[in-house]
Amino acid sequence: DAGITQSPRHKVTETGTPVTLRCHQTENHRYMYWYRQDPGHGLRLIHYSYGVKDTDKGEVSDGYSVSRSKTEDFLLTLESATSSQTSVYFCATRQLNSGNTIYFGEGSWLTVV
Amino acid sequence: QQQVKQSPQSLIVQKGGISIINCAYENTAFDYFPWYQQFPGKGPALLIAIRPDVSEKKEGRFTISFNKSAKQFSLHIMDSQPGDSATYFCAASMGGETSGSRLTFGEGTQLTVNP
Repeated sequence: DAGITQSPRHKVTETGTPVTLRCHQTENHRYMYWYRQDPGHGLRLIHYSYGVKDTDKGEVSDGYSVSRSKTEDFLLTLESATSSQTSVYFCATRQLNSGNTIYFGEGSWLTVV
Repeated sequence: QQQVKQSPQSLIVQKGGISIINCAYENTAFDYFPWYQQFPGKGPALLIAIRPDVSEKKEGRFTISFNKSAKQFSLHIMDSQPGDSATYFCAASMGGETSGSRLTFGEGTQLTVNP
């Protein structure tokens, strides 16, 4: 358990509205990630961060942005939500020099109607 | 481009049987191969992992077999129990600080162990 808290855990929103998901960690891990999980696709990386203000795109970054102003918080924003972004979103963290173990949060269920 | 392919999509075994899940990868730069276990409503959790310098790793009833030349690895669950019923994901990553060792996942296998 890497002390990862995601909020909100469940959200229903309308198409075209902006949505922000928050990931908060208490272990001071350097690396943070946002993944989405969809049936038949496993987990796909959206964005990741390798330090405060240092972020980079993953394989499915279109329509998403992130920010990391503090070590403990990593925000994922859907700029204008679409139905294709209905998914389960997982935040994950990894500590520097801890091997490659990545710890996942409990997930945020997002439905775009 | 799916760099890690996993099969089967679903698997049903009887209690006490052996569960086998297979994965194949394309990128020879991958140097870390974990398996994650996920229960409904929960996030994935690391189960067992292997690096390509060994061909097998065993932890309790769980074993990873790794074939570097074939670019394949598999998870074997011995004496499968109903409590093992979950979704299993294989994954792969490569080192490097700016790469962040980010994981590329397979599609997942839903395992059901019948009592």
